[in-house]
Amino acid sequence: QVQLVESGGGVVQAGRSLTLSCAVSGFPFNNYGIHWVRQAPGKGLEWVSFIWYDGSNKFYAESVQGRFTISRDSSKNTVYLQMNSLRVDDTAVYYCARDKEPTRLDYWGQGILVTVSS
Amino acid sequence: DSQMTQSPSSLSASVGDRVSITCRADLTISNFLNWYQHKPGKAPTLLIYATSSLESGVPSRFSGSRSGTDFTLTISGLQPEDSATYYCQESSSTSFTFGPGTKVDI
Repeated sequence: QVQLVESGGGVVQAGRSLTLSCAVSGFPFNNYGIHWVRQAPGKGLEWVSFIWYDGSNKFYAESVQGRFTISRDSSKNTVYLQMNSLRVDDTAVYYCARDKEPTRLDYWGQGILVTVSS
Repeated sequence: DSQMTQSPSSLSASVGDRVSITCRADLTISNFLNWYQHKPGKAPTLLIYATSSLESGVPSRFSGSRSGTDFTLTISGLQPEDSATYYCQESSSTSFTFGPGTKVDI
């Protein structure tokens, strides 16, 4: 069955870096784009980033543009979110989700908590 | 990017009620508007895509519609398990903004 599993979360100091991984299985990795979405404590869902099925296009929310980088490795069926210059307000549960045409997020991981301390 | 608003921000209803949630975009976003249900501690689930298409496996009491820049999610015959927060999402080729959410209490 379709599975997306996030890893790499934890507690990090403001200004430092952290890389999240999203390992996928149960579907052809090279046929689907992947999104990252986050939810800060007590807040709503915020779209973060999206990478096309072939990695040729990447998109970012304004709040993370220039600090976060999305990438994918087809040999590992994994999508990464490298997060640099982390801020306290990046604290959130981060979800990865599969993109299906017409664009919708049809399968989601269970989420991983990132806590940025001051 | 389009800004999304949702109304109401929260509502309380009874089992069997018909409830509607409205999402408004400040720009024309064609028909690429999705709806998700999110329960605490769980991953969000897709309910409706492309304004009015029901995702596979989702109960038929959920439906979506559009009038101009107003998009509506309707739950006909509210069930106890529908207690959750509901989000709309714009999904154009480059913009994927979520609305602020509507909390539904049963």
